[in-house]
Amino acid sequence: QQQVKQSPQSLIVQKGGISIINCAYENTAFDYFPWYQQFPGKGPALLIAIRPDVSEKKEGRFTISFNKSAKQFSLHIMDSQPGDSATYFCAGRGNMLTFGGGTRLMVKP
Amino acid sequence: NAGVTQTPKFRILKIGQSMTLQCAQDMNHNYMYWYRQDPGMGLKLIYYSVGAGITDKGEVPNGYNVSRSTTEDFPLRLELAAPSQTSVYFCASSYLRVGNYEQYFGPGTRLTVT
Repeated sequence: QQQVKQSPQSLIVQKGGISIINCAYENTAFDYFPWYQQFPGKGPALLIAIRPDVSEKKEGRFTISFNKSAKQFSLHIMDSQPGDSATYFCAGRGNMLTFGGGTRLMVKP
Repeated sequence: NAGVTQTPKFRILKIGQSMTLQCAQDMNHNYMYWYRQDPGMGLKLIYYSVGAGITDKGEVPNGYNVSRSTTEDFPLRLELAAPSQTSVYFCASSYLRVGNYEQYFGPGTRLTVT
């Protein structure tokens, strides 16, 4: 199975709050787990990525937490800002990238 | 560098018409991809190419064709357009090497088939 399940589909967070987006995967052969950020009218762009031999990766306000035994990983956005309002996609890499369904995040001022 | 460019930005097709979506990259990337994006469905891989002259099917190839005669260009052909092909199409490219799998996406083409 190549599926990647992402939740929630949409998320509203107050400015300064923590945004959390979750993904679950089935294929244990995935060797790379990126998160892409997409603003309206634009193509997705790589935000942050993690390898399965690492449990956490942090870049600025963005953190990936990875649980290999549960086959789950999540994106945490600390101190969320209105400029973070976008759609976020998780993915897993086997032969190619398999994307989750996306989460539309709105950060209210 | 312009990165990945796509034309047109928008297009409306009638059922049964054909068209070609253009994609070009100037980063000398070996891999190129075509995805379609439908609401709530994420990005689905249509076709990909690992280099000039080499293409392969992705998850949803039916109704589409591709070719790759140069490193830079990767056009997507729709034959006999159907309403189910209404979507936003993204082209992407990458220079695949161990540990670096980042894909660079174009701005997309919004296609409506009526």
